[in-house]
Parts: sequence; C-alpha cells; structure tokens
Amino acid sequence: AQKVTQAQTEISVVEKEDVTLDCVYETRDTTYYLFWYKQPPSGELVFLIRRNSFDEQNEISGRYSWNFQKSTSSFNFTITASQVVDSAVYFCALSESNSGNTPLVFGKGTRLSVIA
Amino acid sequence: DARVTQTPRHKVTEMGQEVTMRCQPILGHNTVFWYRQTMMQGLELLAYFRNRAPLDDSGMPKDRFSAEMPDATLATLKIQPSEPRDSAVYFCASGLDLGQGAFQAFFGQGTRLTVV
Repeated sequence: AQKVTQAQTEISVVEKEDVTLDCVYETRDTTYYLFWYKQPPSGELVFLIRRNSFDEQNEISGRYSWNFQKSTSSFNFTITASQVVDSAVYFCALSESNSGNTPLVFGKGTRLSVIA
Repeated sequence: DARVTQTPRHKVTEMGQEVTMRCQPILGHNTVFWYRQTMMQGLELLAYFRNRAPLDDSGMPKDRFSAEMPDATLATLKIQPSEPRDSAVYFCASGLDLGQGAFQAFFGQGTRLTVV
C-alpha cells in the first residue's frame, strides 16, 4: 500500500536560516506523482509543486527548492533564507496510477515555525 | 480564477443536530474528495467521487455520515446525528485527472465544524 512519511512533526528556525522538510514515500507503482502543499495559519491548503515519477530533475522556485530522489524514495523540500511568512504546516502527498488504492495519500504534515 | 467553494465556512451546532456541508468543485474536474482534518489524525480521506459516483467511502462512519453528488456542480457531506467528536475542519477537494488514476487535489477553504 502507498504511504507517505513526514518524520519531522515540528521544526523551529530563526528567520533567514535554511530549513529542509523531509518526505519519504512508499509505492509499488512505477508511475506516480508527488506533491507539496502549504497550510498557513489561515487554514487553506495551498498547492506548491507537483512532480511525476519520471522526472527527477530538481526544481527551484525563488527561495523554495525540491529534491526528488527515487533511489531513496524521498521528495524533500528546502526553504532558503526562511521568513516569518513561511510559518505553516507543510504536507507531502502521493498519487499513484492504476493502483486501485486511495488515489491521493497525505503525510501527517510538518509544522514549521519561523521566529523573527 | 477557478476555485473550489465550500459552505458554510464555520458551523457551530448542538449534539444530535443534522449538519450539511456543501462543495462546488472546479468546473471540468470530475473527481471530488472529502477530507477531515483534526489535530490527532491529520488529513483523513472520508470519501471520493468520480463522475458523481461514489468510489470509496470506507473512511466515513456509515451510521451517521453520508456523501452525495446530486449534480456535477454540487457535492454534499451530511452528518446526522452530529456528535462532539465530529468537531473538525472538513475539506472538499476537486481532482484534476493526471491520467491513469492519479490526481492532483485543489482544496476549498474548509468548513470548521464545532459540535457542542
């Protein structure tokens, strides 16, 4: 069965520090998608990025970057020079294809607090 | 700007009352998910529909919860009778089909339910 593990429950950093949020997944499928979502204190779930299993190229978007490594089944998220506005809960998610399982599975989330 | 609309945003009700939550998915998305978020359990999948047909509602307590899609623009989640343990944030998500059974979820703002 597919599974997403975010081992870090809570992380606290001081503003301007870099921080990496870990995500490890399990799947038997060869075709799948990985996602990161952000849930700020206001509560909505905001989509950040999508990656398919055939594209291991790392992605950078401003201060955000993502490292996808199939060899370790990981899809980690790094925030460079963190800011207070980055404080949120971040969820990693997995969607498999043709599995017959739940089509979208979320990790438990990592609560990031950035202190000024 | 396509978005998922959920109503009401907040609901406070007394134990034993019926609660109905509504969701308007993004036009053209044929899959709708209902999630419940609590501090203890994180994001739990309650049910999901494809082309208005329920595909999986195994995450839902059957005796009191029911989910329907009366038409392509409306999904409903009902709780009858409600109990204090149902207090949570309920999210509806509209599913973008990525092919072969994989989906990307676009979330509504959620309904914060408090049962007293």
